[in-house]
Amino acid sequence: TQLLEQSPQFLSIQEGENLTVYCNSSSVFSSLQWYRQEPGEGPVLLVTVVTGGEVKKLKRLTFQFGDARKDSSLHITAAQPGDTGLYLCAGVLTGNNRKLIWGLGTSLAVNP
Amino acid sequence: DTGVSQDPRHKITKRGQNVTFRCDPISEHNRLYWYRQTLGQGPEFLTYFQNEAQLEKSRLLSDRFSAERPKGSFSTLEIQRTEQGDSAMYLCASSSSGVNEQFFGPGTRLTVL
Repeated sequence: TQLLEQSPQFLSIQEGENLTVYCNSSSVFSSLQWYRQEPGEGPVLLVTVVTGGEVKKLKRLTFQFGDARKDSSLHITAAQPGDTGLYLCAGVLTGNNRKLIWGLGTSLAVNP
Repeated sequence: DTGVSQDPRHKITKRGQNVTFRCDPISEHNRLYWYRQTLGQGPEFLTYFQNEAQLEKSRLLSDRFSAERPKGSFSTLEIQRTEQGDSAMYLCASSSSGVNEQFFGPGTRLTVL
């Protein structure tokens, strides 16, 4: 059973389009992180959200943590080819601050 | 560069051989994690250290895998009698106590022929 479900698993869009990636769970997380990974490299941390309902923006990327802290979304506006990569969400379950629970990732391809 | 470093970046070996990978975490981080990742999938937790103590090992980690962090700084991951199914990217990450964010190294890509 996957504790963190990411959707969609694959996404191929044209440059300039908007997209949203979802990370859902039935469990409550004390915090949730989004990472981006390029082929052959390790994941790079984009953002951490900790408060229910929190919204954080990073240039064209908007991250939201659900009110109940069970889900999160990543919205990219006007996607560019440089946004291509694997987007991973990972969270820390409430009461367990040692191990990150990982989603399986969303593989995004932005075509010029 | 004071980020997490891993060595080697790539390793090709024949089935049955032993391999050892090294991870140097960010110097002030006392927590160190090893993950395995296959193409297009998220990282799969292998084991975790706080300082020199190995606090958790995944049930997926067979007895052919062993990890050490003898002085609480760098860590090594050894795979004995490698199998083709061990081919993957092996990632190391580090963090500080009480901080959930983990910082990853570039990974070691293992290919077992």
